[in-house]
Amino acid sequence: DAKTTQPNSMESNEEEPVHLPCNHSTISGTDYIHWYRQLPSQGPEYVIHGLTSNVNNRMASLAIAEDRKSSTLILHRATLRDAAVYYCILRDDTGGFKTIFGAGTRLFVKA
Amino acid sequence: GAVVSQHPSWVICKSGTSVKIECRSLDFQATTMFWYRQFPKQSLMLMATSNEGSKATYEQGVEKDKFLINHASLTLSTLTVTSAHPEDSSFYICSASSPGANVLTFGAGSRLTVL
Repeated sequence: DAKTTQPNSMESNEEEPVHLPCNHSTISGTDYIHWYRQLPSQGPEYVIHGLTSNVNNRMASLAIAEDRKSSTLILHRATLRDAAVYYCILRDDTGGFKTIFGAGTRLFVKA
Repeated sequence: GAVVSQHPSWVICKSGTSVKIECRSLDFQATTMFWYRQFPKQSLMLMATSNEGSKATYEQGVEKDKFLINHASLTLSTLTVTSAHPEDSSFYICSASSPGANVLTFGAGSRLTVL
């Protein structure tokens, strides 16, 4: 599985945008970029995913570099409820949904 | 949306006993489910892939006789921790993908404490 690199932690102020980076220089052409987050003592939840184009949904935006070697998850206005561990994951969706988690980024949101 | 339910949400047992954790897809059928374990302040570690009607596929280093997985129906997979020991205490999480969607839905997790 292609590896992703994320900062261990990041801090944000409430109501401000947050940009969570992810490097994946060994990404293959069939790898999708998935983001999940895990709130304390809960199972992970899906945030967003994409292949080549930038993606937007009600939770966040995903900006994918042109060479696909990096991506950024954007939370437009952080709230205290967004404090979680965010995981950037590469997955070849043509081969099933086996998903391997890396260490993720722990996001702290200050009031 | 797709919902995955786990039961129990927490369990405490004595060393040497076996514990069964259930994972159900509530509004969709899942031919494949995944089981993870997570220790405090660590990431999720994939234990095995549960396949409906066939044997589970275990990740390297996971003892299949210790962690028994049964996927007898399209909506239920069970993980049984046999002869549990304190080092098996962990947060166990299952997940599944609903048909037509290429994202995973996770259960809320089951916290196992072995005394």
